[in-house]
Amino acid sequence: QVQLQESGPGLVKPSETLSLTCTVSGDSVNSVIYYWSWIRQPPGKGLEWIAYMHYSGSSNYNPSLKSRATISVDTSKNQLSLKLNAVTAADTAVYYCASKKVGATYYFDYWGQGTLVTVSS
Amino acid sequence: QSALTQPASVSGSPGQSITISCTGTSSDVGGYNYVSWYQQHPGKAPKLMIYDVTNRPSGVSDRFSGSKSGNTASLTISGLQAEDEADYYCSSYTSTSTHVAFGGGTKLTVL
Repeated sequence: QVQLQESGPGLVKPSETLSLTCTVSGDSVNSVIYYWSWIRQPPGKGLEWIAYMHYSGSSNYNPSLKSRATISVDTSKNQLSLKLNAVTAADTAVYYCASKKVGATYYFDYWGQGTLVTVSS
Repeated sequence: QSALTQPASVSGSPGQSITISCTGTSSDVGGYNYVSWYQQHPGKAPKLMIYDVTNRPSGVSDRFSGSKSGNTASLTISGLQAEDEADYYCSSYTSTSTHVAFGGGTKLTVL
């Protein structure tokens, strides 16, 4: 069973870059059957999909965040990462990593516990 | 503003059944059988409850069921239990550039 654990700084200053890591266990990040995803949830609000990526390099981004977000996979560390630049208070949220199977599937079956990132000076 | 519309709250008594709706368009819910539902308890990560409209992952109680009619999908929980009290989110593939859309969430209260 896949297990996911997010990590990163809990506080980021406005205009700076948010950097998060998700460590994958129970499977390999270069598994052919998974896309690895980032999803966020502002406090008290709903879920927003950010992006997903296959280890082969294939990726998709939410158009509303595409200009600021970069998702990547590090097979040597079995991790995926998210960088979001030029952050504002609107980027304050719990950030989750999640897995999505390849092919015609559009659901997220395994989730990390999430990490809260606050954007504030 | 979420792409998919859910009621803000629903409630029911133990043992009763409730239904949560999720309304989209022909570009998402109505056009594809890729609707999923997630349960989220306070402070916890979402948990997949239903995928591809009607399918339950292994380990999810058969009290949870999904359906779809036109542009509206529904999650039904039968035999309500106190542990079902949580937020529920629907999600769907969308043919717009967004790819994945979520509903705004529904808070289920077990009276």
